[in-house]
Amino acid sequence: AQSVTQPDIHITVSEGASLELRCNYSYGATPYLFWYVQSPGQGLQLLLKYFSGDTLVQGIKGFEAEFKRSQSSFNLRKPSVHWSDAAEYFCAVGMGDTGFQKLVFGTGTRLLVSP
Amino acid sequence: EPEVTQTPSHQVTQMGQEVILRCVPISNHLYFYWYRQILGQKVEFLVSFYNNEISEKSEIFDDQFSVERPDGSNFTLKIRSTKLEDSAMYFCASSEFRALQETQYFGPGTRLLVL
Repeated sequence: AQSVTQPDIHITVSEGASLELRCNYSYGATPYLFWYVQSPGQGLQLLLKYFSGDTLVQGIKGFEAEFKRSQSSFNLRKPSVHWSDAAEYFCAVGMGDTGFQKLVFGTGTRLLVSP
Repeated sequence: EPEVTQTPSHQVTQMGQEVILRCVPISNHLYFYWYRQILGQKVEFLVSFYNNEISEKSEIFDDQFSVERPDGSNFTLKIRSTKLEDSAMYFCASSEFRALQETQYFGPGTRLLVL
């Protein structure tokens, strides 16, 4: 069955340090991959997505992610974390057996930023 | 920037009562979705809706659930007779197209508590 795994439930990073959030997917066809962020009281906001082409994709807020088919991974990175990046991050795969898209999400990773 | 809105932000109800969760999708979007997230669990797809019909629904979306677009702007999720296990955060989303790489735009969610 198609699934998305985010192995880290919580991650704490010092402000200014680099960040990598892990995401692994299980999907038979070409994956359409997304990273969303949820800040407290906010909806899910798209950070970036991959569906073809360059395997390194750039997103908003200085985030990037790299698609590695051999590892079935789509890890999210940021070179220098800011306190405002503290939020919950969700990886998702877009799929649609019926021709209509639905998103299958991972369990999320909560990022804490320490001073 | 256009956004998806949801009302109410929080709702508390008694088991067995009917609830209606409301969403206003982005105005030029044609595809609408409901997802839910039980506390501590994944965001799960419930249903997609297009052209006044359900496009796809998950196993969760049983006869107790229904969706409707009662006018040109609102998109609602009704739970006919709530159960304790319906307590969750419910997210509405919309997209302009249905392609698998399409971005879904999410609202801030309605937190439903069934007592």
